[in-house]
Amino acid sequence: GAVVSQHPSWVICKSGTSVKIECRSLDFQATTMFWYRQFPKQSLMLMATSNEGSKATYEQGVEKDKFLINHASLTLSTLTVTSAHPEDSSFYICSASGNRLQLTEKLFFGSGTQLSVL
Amino acid sequence: TQLLEQSPQFLSIQEGENLTVYCNSSSVFSSLQWYRQEPGEGPVLLVTVVTGGEVKKLKRLTFQFGDARKDSSLHITAAQPGDTGLYLCAGMATGGGNKLTFGTGTQLKVEL
Repeated sequence: GAVVSQHPSWVICKSGTSVKIECRSLDFQATTMFWYRQFPKQSLMLMATSNEGSKATYEQGVEKDKFLINHASLTLSTLTVTSAHPEDSSFYICSASGNRLQLTEKLFFGSGTQLSVL
Repeated sequence: TQLLEQSPQFLSIQEGENLTVYCNSSSVFSSLQWYRQEPGEGPVLLVTVVTGGEVKKLKRLTFQFGDARKDSSLHITAAQPGDTGLYLCAGMATGGGNKLTFGTGTQLKVEL
């Protein structure tokens, strides 16, 4: 099956610094990638949708200047949390959708990144 | 905004018991998926249901999609400790470009 690699698995940073999270599709071309945020024991909340080569579409209430998303190639999307603060501490997960017909209705998830801001 | 409400929110049962998790919405979905997630990991897809009224079985798990494609249920028979986890339903909007709306989640704990 298709594999999505997310890196790093966890990161601890100081307040005010920026953190970049990578999401790679390893064996397929991901035309669309999604970024989610999840608090402990809660569901996934969609933050933004990114299509290769175009600007990301952010969900209501998500600050685009705070959470920078880049999808420069068909296999890589990055989420940068800028000037991170303790309230940004969360579990961030990406998912990818391929452009092959048999993958159209399926999303493949990364293993997530636990961000802790001190 | 399409909302998917899951019930119950939390469930703690003994090994061997049966349980049902419900996923309800007022919106119609082209398909609905169920995921299981363990702490610190991404969700793992269990099943996708597409046709209204569809029933799918995966060993001790039975999934049903409502006739109107607005709701779904997950039934687990003879639960085991290995079933412990966060269960999430997720609906794919009609014409939504693979955009998933996740349910509110059900945290299941199965004890010996």
